[in-house]
Amino acid sequence: DAKTTQPPSMDCAEGRAANLPCNHSTISGNEYVYWYRQIHSQGPQYIIHGLKNNETNEMASLIITEDRKSSTLILPHATLRDTAVYYCIVRGNTGGFKTIFGAGTRLFVKA
Amino acid sequence: EPEVTQTPSHQVTQMGQEVILRCVPISNHLYFYWYRQILGQKVEFLVSFYNNEISEKSEIFDDQFSVERPDGSNFTLKIRSTKLEDSAMYFCASTYRGYTEAFFGQGTRLTVV
Repeated sequence: DAKTTQPPSMDCAEGRAANLPCNHSTISGNEYVYWYRQIHSQGPQYIIHGLKNNETNEMASLIITEDRKSSTLILPHATLRDTAVYYCIVRGNTGGFKTIFGAGTRLFVKA
Repeated sequence: EPEVTQTPSHQVTQMGQEVILRCVPISNHLYFYWYRQILGQKVEFLVSFYNNEISEKSEIFDDQFSVERPDGSNFTLKIRSTKLEDSAMYFCASTYRGYTEAFFGQGTRLTVV
């Protein structure tokens, strides 16, 4: 699975959009970009995933660059409850199916 | 919304004792996983399980660990002789297919004393 690089921490004001970047320059054609988050010590929570098109669901939007070497997770109106560690994970649809977690980005949403 | 449930939420055990952590994956999911997270560290993969056998395991998953799906709903992780360094949060996860998104339980905090 391709490696990802994320900033260790970010701040965001409550009510503003949180834009979390991720670099995955070695991503291969059959690998998807997944985002999860972990609030305090709870179990990781799936947010969204995509292959090459931008995706949106009720939680977030995922913007993937045309060359697929980077992506941005957007939380459109961050709330205090969005304070968490956000993980960008690249994962293929063949072979091993484990999810490999890095250190992620610790997002602090401030009032 | 369907969810993965884990019991107990917290387990304290003495070093050298056996523990069994239990999980009920989402009912129509076919792939099951265990992960652990030592306090302040990353979430680490332990083992994946499909079609009643281990499909992949990490270096952490040594002979002290075993997994089982004893019936149609439960998925268990057994640690035969616990060590202090086994103290961690243990997360169970399941996926419908191997490559679909994983759903995680809320974890069992294992404390070995």
